[in-house]
Amino acid sequence: AQSVTQLDSHVSVSEGTPVLLRCNYSSSYSPSLFWYVQHPNKGLQLLLKYTSAATLVKGINGFEAEFKKSETSFHLTKPSAHMSDAAEYFCVVSLFSGGYNKLIFGAGTRLAVHP
Amino acid sequence: DSGVTQTPKHLITATGQRVTLRCSPRSGDLSVYWYQQSLDQGLQFLIQYYNGEERAKGNILERFSAQQFPDLHSELNLSSLELGDSALYFCASSVATGGPSSYNEQFFGPGTRLTVL
Repeated sequence: AQSVTQLDSHVSVSEGTPVLLRCNYSSSYSPSLFWYVQHPNKGLQLLLKYTSAATLVKGINGFEAEFKKSETSFHLTKPSAHMSDAAEYFCVVSLFSGGYNKLIFGAGTRLAVHP
Repeated sequence: DSGVTQTPKHLITATGQRVTLRCSPRSGDLSVYWYQQSLDQGLQFLIQYYNGEERAKGNILERFSAQQFPDLHSELNLSSLELGDSALYFCASSVATGGPSSYNEQFFGPGTRLTVL
């Protein structure tokens, strides 16, 4: 069965320091993976997606993620955090089953950025 | 702005009542998905419609129903409301041709916050 585990429920960093949000997935075949961000009282916005092309995926706002099949991981990184990055981040795996596409969401990681 | 619109933004109602949430997908998107986000359950997929037809059901209660109209907008109907139905309800849309295109990302609306008192 497909599943997603976000290893940290909360991450706190200082402005200007690197960000690492960890995600492991379980999938019986090559998955499609996404990271979404949700700012307070807002909808979810797509940050980036992996679709079996390049294993290093660049997204918006300086974020990137690396797909590592051997580790079944898809960690999200950013070299330098900005105050505006404070939000909740969701790692998502997509599967096609029973004739439809289904997104399976991780529990989310809340990122706090301190001055 | 994702291009997906949802109304109303906020809804406050009483237990036992019925409400309707509305969603307009992005121009050209044929699939509409409904999700519920609550503190204890996280983000849960409720139901998907594709070009007017129900395509998939997730953790949707029997008290809830949805439909997609010929102009592709969708409505989620919640009836016999309970306190536990208080949550953020999101609509998302995608191109979704209906084939195994699992890379078709979904674009989310801003959500409707439902409070049941």
